[in-house]
Amino acid sequence: NAGVTQTPKFRVLKTGQSMTLLCAQDMNHEYMYWYRQDPGMGLRLIHYSVGEGTTAKGEVPDGYNVSRLKKQNFLLGLESAAPSQTSVYFCASSYPWTGMIGEQYFGPGTRLTVT
Amino acid sequence: GQNIDQPTEMTATEGAIVQINCTYQTSGFNGLFWYQQHAGEAPTFLSYNVLDGLEEKGRFSSFLSRSKGYSYLLLKELQMKDSASYLCAQGGYQKVTFGTGTKLQVIP
Repeated sequence: NAGVTQTPKFRVLKTGQSMTLLCAQDMNHEYMYWYRQDPGMGLRLIHYSVGEGTTAKGEVPDGYNVSRLKKQNFLLGLESAAPSQTSVYFCASSYPWTGMIGEQYFGPGTRLTVT
Repeated sequence: GQNIDQPTEMTATEGAIVQINCTYQTSGFNGLFWYQQHAGEAPTFLSYNVLDGLEEKGRFSSFLSRSKGYSYLLLKELQMKDSASYLCAQGGYQKVTFGTGTKLQVIP
């Protein structure tokens, strides 16, 4: 099993450009998450999904969109990148424990720089 | 939102014991997670507490007091490879809220 994979691993964008980050998991998990991690800020939730075809906003959703068309994939889109979106992005997946969130499995991260 | 507080940095000696504390808001509580994150890598799961008391897993133990909104991670027989950030996270219904993490440096 590959676990959780993310593509790309690194990317440099110019302000105003768009891109899509892809997350894939092969563990048949229901829940998937996108986080960003910045120095001194910890992991902050951008968007999440509790099942195929469903998405919800997290703590810092502005400037991002997501889609979960297939259970195993969760896409994060930046329509018009801004320097404030320079960060490390982590995808995670989880299965529910009696309806609540369980242990999360993280992808290796995408390091994005917006100039 | 949920406030989670943990120390920013700690230093401990190889072979020693270190305790990393975490406090959280008791409302909407559905379990307390600890994750380890080495520099430049993804977080990995260490432990989960939902009931009061101590959970032991090898050199690592995690404690929870729900009435006090308090948890700690105890690392025994510290090794150099334990140098990492330790993230406390409060579980909710379908998501968690992470603290900013405690960067632990183990010195010889």
